[in-house]
Amino acid sequence: DAGVIQSPRHEVTEMGQEVTLRCKPISGHNSLFWYRQTMMRGLELLIYFNNNVPIDDSGMPEDRFSAKMPNASFSTLKIQPSEPRDSAVYFCASSLVWTDDNQPQHFGDGTRLSIL
Amino acid sequence: SQQGEEDPQALSIQEGENATMNCSYKTSINNLQWYRQNSGRGLVHLILIRSNEREKHSGRLRVTLDTSKKSSSLLITASRAADTASYFCATDMEYGNKLVFGAGTILRVKS
Repeated sequence: DAGVIQSPRHEVTEMGQEVTLRCKPISGHNSLFWYRQTMMRGLELLIYFNNNVPIDDSGMPEDRFSAKMPNASFSTLKIQPSEPRDSAVYFCASSLVWTDDNQPQHFGDGTRLSIL
Repeated sequence: SQQGEEDPQALSIQEGENATMNCSYKTSINNLQWYRQNSGRGLVHLILIRSNEREKHSGRLRVTLDTSKKSSSLLITASRAADTASYFCATDMEYGNKLVFGAGTILRVKS
């Protein structure tokens, strides 16, 4: 089975530009998570969706960040305008959740974002 | 903010030796999970232990959980060079399906 697919794998762009990261979760999974990983702050949860609905976006750092999940098989994380401090590896993960019990999350291989 | 804190930050051992990593957390949990991350890759789930369990095994992995001390340990027995990776513990809030990851332990297994 295909795992979580993220694109692009690498993105280098100049500050001020709009950046869009994409994620295709595992088919049948009903929860999707966006994380950011840096050396200084570790792995931070930005936002997560259940059944395509945003549940908790308290980790989104600023209004420059937005995420959407228009259907069960696709999500985007957008940064506009981008800044050098947004440079990080961004991960998408999905899981199958029922009741209140956490289940393992399956991660994509991430997008390494560099803002110059 | 990070709920789980791993100890040690880095560990270097010889192939064949055992590796033990510890995780401490602050609030009540439903379960605790351990993940591995190889360089340049995403995290891979290793094992989940529920709050009413004290020990769990999976192959060469052994996880313990002490909810009274709010701590967990991951033991990798008979380590291999391929075990070289970062290892993270993750805890959930008592309700909801949000995980909070620790800072991780970097394990290097020398052949």
